[in-house]
Amino acid sequence: GQQLNQSPQSMFIQEGEDVSMNCTSSSIFNTWLWYKQEPGEGPVLLIALYKAGELTSNGRLTAQFGITRKDSFLNISASIPSDVGIYFCAGTNFGNEKLTFGTGTRLTIIP
Amino acid sequence: EPEVTQTPSHQVTQMGQEVILRCVPISNHLYFYWYRQILGQKVEFLVSFYNNEISEKSEIFDDQFSVERPDGSNFTLKIRSTKLEDSAMYFCASKEAEVSHGELFFGEGSRLTVL
Repeated sequence: GQQLNQSPQSMFIQEGEDVSMNCTSSSIFNTWLWYKQEPGEGPVLLIALYKAGELTSNGRLTAQFGITRKDSFLNISASIPSDVGIYFCAGTNFGNEKLTFGTGTRLTIIP
Repeated sequence: EPEVTQTPSHQVTQMGQEVILRCVPISNHLYFYWYRQILGQKVEFLVSFYNNEISEKSEIFDDQFSVERPDGSNFTLKIRSTKLEDSAMYFCASKEAEVSHGELFFGEGSRLTVL
């Protein structure tokens, strides 16, 4: 089946630092999405990417859809305490209803 | 802001018992989903539902699972005879339209513990 691997698995950073995380796939996706999950809650959509090469921002978040359609990255600038959580990439293809989620990157901010 | 609501938030059951998890999707949404997340693992697709029928399901969604939209607002997931490995968080999600590809709104989840 399709696998999405995220790196790093976890990150420990100081408040104010920039964050970069990556997602790679064993197969092509036509749509890439980034979700954030906080403890005890469901995933919340952060950014959706629909075209290879597309670079999209949402406030301090920036994500890119890789040219090969097999990878994506998410950057968070000037991290703040509420950025803590698990970040999941997800891929899907048109005509296919399911999202395939990545393994997740857990972000912890050190006070 | 409209949201997907799920009940119960936590259910503990004995192995072999039937469980029904309930969801109220966002009111103008047309596509409905169940996903599950075993503790510490990634979120996995179970089933999608559109126009009163299953549109896609995963290999996890075997004969023990069923979904139903019994009225205009609720969307339920039934597990007929629970197994220990069914213990997980179950998330309901909904989507407004086909064009909102992948843009799912998730509920807060129902934690199922099978003893």
